[in-house]
Amino acid sequence: ETGVTQTPRHLVMGMTNKKSLKCEQHLGHNAMYWYKQSAKKPLELMFVYSLEERVENNSVPSRFSPECPNSSHLFLHLHTLQPEDSALYLCASSQTRDSYEQYFGPGTRLTVT
Amino acid sequence: QKEVEQNSGPLSVPEGAIASLNCTYSDRGSQSFFWYRQYSGKSPELIMSIYSNGDKEDGRFTAQLNKASQYVSLLIRDSQPSDSATYLCAAGGYQKVTFGIGTKLQVIP
Repeated sequence: ETGVTQTPRHLVMGMTNKKSLKCEQHLGHNAMYWYKQSAKKPLELMFVYSLEERVENNSVPSRFSPECPNSSHLFLHLHTLQPEDSALYLCASSQTRDSYEQYFGPGTRLTVT
Repeated sequence: QKEVEQNSGPLSVPEGAIASLNCTYSDRGSQSFFWYRQYSGKSPELIMSIYSNGDKEDGRFTAQLNKASQYVSLLIRDSQPSDSATYLCAAGGYQKVTFGIGTKLQVIP
């Protein structure tokens, strides 16, 4: 595997379900990010991890819970989501928080029914 | 509110023409600038980075930066139908990257 991988690629879940999104980066980077991309809106930064420490949480509802067990893996745990949470969820990584060149995974297309 | 502004398009150009994509940013403290290409249903792919005033060329792509005007552009020479995508402009600074909404480019054969 190379670059940034994400699983699953597609996910349909009900509002009462619990699911997790997984991201893995094979680039040796120290910073990882979760973004939400909705139609006709800019990328919304959700969470930032630097050296496995959460350094940013942009007023994201508590139904989204991130986890970073090591510098290569990032999870986004989902529970009791709302239909408006349907979007493309993108994971990205960069060498450091200050390097700014971010590399994205393929994304998870989430549909909440 | 730090913003990156782009015209959402679509911008239509004939095959073989030069496509010119523009972007302005509000934060003068931004240090690094990027262009990402995003095909429909795919994730953004980094295609150009520029850090200092002037032009940077890579193949058919040229990125231009004017910090005084807070303006970034991407020129695509000899546009091909395969260049049809949404192009995201991004500005980095203060340990954060801000993305624009993206410009949809359509290259007409």
